[in-house]
Amino acid sequence: QKEVEQNSGPLSVPEGAIASLNCTYSDRVSQSFFWYRQYSGKSPELIMSIYSNGDKEDGRFTAQLNKASQYVSLLIRDSQPSDSATYLCALRGDNYGQNFVFGPGTRLSVLP
Amino acid sequence: DGGITQSPKYLFRKEGQNVTLSCEQNLNHDAMYWYRQDPGQGLRLIYYSQIVNDFQKGDIAEGYSVSREKKESFPLTVTSAQKNPTAFYLCASSISGNARSGELFFGEGSRLTVL
Repeated sequence: QKEVEQNSGPLSVPEGAIASLNCTYSDRVSQSFFWYRQYSGKSPELIMSIYSNGDKEDGRFTAQLNKASQYVSLLIRDSQPSDSATYLCALRGDNYGQNFVFGPGTRLSVLP
Repeated sequence: DGGITQSPKYLFRKEGQNVTLSCEQNLNHDAMYWYRQDPGQGLRLIYYSQIVNDFQKGDIAEGYSVSREKKESFPLTVTSAQKNPTAFYLCASSISGNARSGELFFGEGSRLTVL
């Protein structure tokens, strides 16, 4: 099993809908979780970080973490065409030498 | 403004040449990283450094070398031993090497093409 798994997509949603992006991971003791957005040809930018079980909201974005089930998700409400990008899930934990481990990313396409 | 500066943004290299990619940060971060990204793929860790004068190999270090003589600087050399160096290279930093804190921040990237 890969350390961090994401559906590669593309995930297509209509403008104004909720986009749901999911990520599962294999290491139970991972401590920190992150969502990055990467536009084509650009570097990743941090969208959300989450460290505890539950939901964390920031504007149109909500990150959800469930450590028991080993998944983290990102919800984007009122999706806009400008949200079309690849979304990278990442985690950090002692078992990885305190480094960051990235999933392959999910490509999101928001259709006008 | 605080941030991470990578240069050059675009670089062309002939086979057999070494090239050095620059990475400078003014965020006062302790940890710095180099990643490689190939088209349609995720990020792979090349080297990382958690303190000055110390660095560790990542998952794909062969054919690359780094130095960390100053806290602000973490240059990456792509040597002629790297068989397939054409890729997008990303430098990043985080406030510390502690897994319980700190996000990763990226520079704008350097795109290397071997002719």
